[in-house]
Amino acid sequence: QVHLVQSGTEVKRPGASVRVSCKASGYMFARYAIHWVRQAPGQSLEWMGWINVGDGGTKYSENFQDRVAITRDTSATTVYMELSGLKIEDTAVYYCARDLEVGGYNYGCFDLWGQGTLVTVSS
Amino acid sequence: HSVLTQPPSVSGAPGQRVTISCTGSGSNIGAGYDVHWYQQLPGTAPKLLVYGNKRRPSGVPDRFSGYKSDTSAFLAITGLQAEDEGDYYCQSYDNSLKTLYVFGTGTKVTVL
Repeated sequence: QVHLVQSGTEVKRPGASVRVSCKASGYMFARYAIHWVRQAPGQSLEWMGWINVGDGGTKYSENFQDRVAITRDTSATTVYMELSGLKIEDTAVYYCARDLEVGGYNYGCFDLWGQGTLVTVSS
Repeated sequence: HSVLTQPPSVSGAPGQRVTISCTGSGSNIGAGYDVHWYQQLPGTAPKLLVYGNKRRPSGVPDRFSGYKSDTSAFLAITGLQAEDEGDYYCQSYDNSLKTLYVFGTGTKVTVL
């Protein structure tokens, strides 16, 4: 079975940092990029960034440029997303998602999603 | 932050056809980038429904179909079923913004 399993709910104070993990199983981990997408309550989806799992290269949305870091541990088949300087408006469900590749072509969409991690930022 | 515009809601009776629009601009859909569609049922993660404008992943019923024209894309659901009720999002790539991947505003589908 192909899965992305994320870490559990987090509650943080403003100004703190949070690290969310995303463990992959059932497929060749290094072959597919992993993206992070968040969804604030009642809102649409927002792309945060992605990591090339093979070489560790990253690209971030400029909306999060200075606050987000995505890393991976290939031995643990796990990707991490750390968001620093948390604000109340960072309260959201955070998803990791796998990049779709078909026949060597990356479609720029997401075919496998984690279950989501709720991060609540509250004073 | 959504740059792709969708109608907030559409509804239809069981068995009917509904269509959801996704309107972009010359830096995303109009630039030729593919459009993809996701279904999000209550309390769950999004699920890829259509990719590359019109392709369906394995297991997605052919009741769901997508197409693109100029700066817009459309998702059609035929033979509407109660289990189709949920939120639907389009997504594409954008070459002008601070963020590479953009999503639609989302459409709530209600089965009457």
